[in-house]
Amino acid sequence: DQQVKQNSPSLSVQEGRISILNCDYTNSMFDYFLWYKKYPAEGPTFLISISSIKDKNEDGRFTVFLNKSAKHLSLHIVPSQPGDSAVYFCAASLIQGAQKLVFGQGTRLTINP
Amino acid sequence: DTGVSQDPRHKITKRGQNVTFRCDPISEHNRLYWYRQTLGQGPEFLTYFQNEAQLEKSRLLSDRFSAERPKGSFSTLEIQRTEQGDSAMYLCASSPFRSKGNSPLHFGNGTRLTVT
Repeated sequence: DQQVKQNSPSLSVQEGRISILNCDYTNSMFDYFLWYKKYPAEGPTFLISISSIKDKNEDGRFTVFLNKSAKHLSLHIVPSQPGDSAVYFCAASLIQGAQKLVFGQGTRLTINP
Repeated sequence: DTGVSQDPRHKITKRGQNVTFRCDPISEHNRLYWYRQTLGQGPEFLTYFQNEAQLEKSRLLSDRFSAERPKGSFSTLEIQRTEQGDSAMYLCASSPFRSKGNSPLHFGNGTRLTVT
């Protein structure tokens, strides 16, 4: 039972353009959502988060959008840079309690020069 | 930078042997988590501690797995009688406990286990 899904295993984007990574979830109880970035041989690094009371959160080049009715979130990276090439994971949890994150399968983003 | 530290980075063992991994969390974080990641998948929750108390265990954590955090600081994850299916990256993460709201988990670089 995959509660968090990233349906695109990979994405290739031109440097300077916008990268859009998508994530869907099925559990309507989730109220805290995060994006992590992972380089090979390293652990996931936190990028940005959003709580369910918001529909948008922005941090520099990164913006996360949340559509609760569609149970969908997306990560926008503008402009994309070669250093953004990595695997991106979305994750979800409940705000109260264990902070037990449920992760998607990941999307490998490649930024082409 | 005193991030989450895991040791060893790599472990190769033969089927049936026992292995133990160590995690040192960020010092002011009182929550510590263990996750497992296999190829092509996202990390999966195994267990977590608040201080020295183990508060939740996933059904993924069979009887061969045991985790401890004896003094509420570092943690160990032991796998007894390893099987080839145990081959994975074992990730440790920590976070501060907040009575209201949430905070992201900070991950270590993991221990990659290969069971031959």
